[in-house]
Amino acid sequence: AQSVTQLGSHVSVSEGALVLLRCNYSSSVPPYLFWYVQYPNQGLQLLLKYTSAATLVKGINGFEAEFKKSETSFHLTKPSAHMSDAAEYFCAVTLNTGFQKLVFGTGTRLLVSP
Amino acid sequence: DAMVIQNPRYQVTQFGKPVTLSCSQTLNHNVMYWYQQKSSQAPKLLFHYYDKDFNNEADTPDNFQSRRPNTSFCFLDIRSPGLGDAAMYLCATSRVDREADTQYFGPGTRLTVL
Repeated sequence: AQSVTQLGSHVSVSEGALVLLRCNYSSSVPPYLFWYVQYPNQGLQLLLKYTSAATLVKGINGFEAEFKKSETSFHLTKPSAHMSDAAEYFCAVTLNTGFQKLVFGTGTRLLVSP
Repeated sequence: DAMVIQNPRYQVTQFGKPVTLSCSQTLNHNVMYWYQQKSSQAPKLLFHYYDKDFNNEADTPDNFQSRRPNTSFCFLDIRSPGLGDAAMYLCATSRVDREADTQYFGPGTRLTVL
């Protein structure tokens, strides 16, 4: 069965600093991978997804993630953090074969300080 | 804009008083999901409808039921809410044919049980 591990329940950065949120996956077949962002009292918004096309995926709000099969990783990055990036981020995995459930990581709360 | 809509955004109910949460979508997606999300946790899948077929997760309490009268609407019924059912309830949709597709989430309904 597939799974994802998000390292670090909380990540703190200063405004303007690099954002790096880590996600490692486990899957026996080629996965689809997603990053979602959740602001307080909101639903989940899709940031970006990997579906076996380009390994470097660009998303909304300046975020991007790189699929590295050798490292089984799909880390999320942003060159320069904004205060508005403070939120909860979830990595999720599913399989690329018909209907499959989405398996979420435990989430990482990003804190951005002035 | 095509979207997933949840009503109400905030729902307060009394212990043991039945409550219904509503979800509608204009995406014409064939799968609709209900998730429960408690504070600082990942969303937990309760059940989903694949077209008209209802699929319950093994650990979803009997207290939770769902109805999907047509493609656009799906309801979550909590027959006798307990204090432990206070949570954010998220509806999501996806279009699944041969390949897995992205889940799109509504803004959620925050349920408070008094």
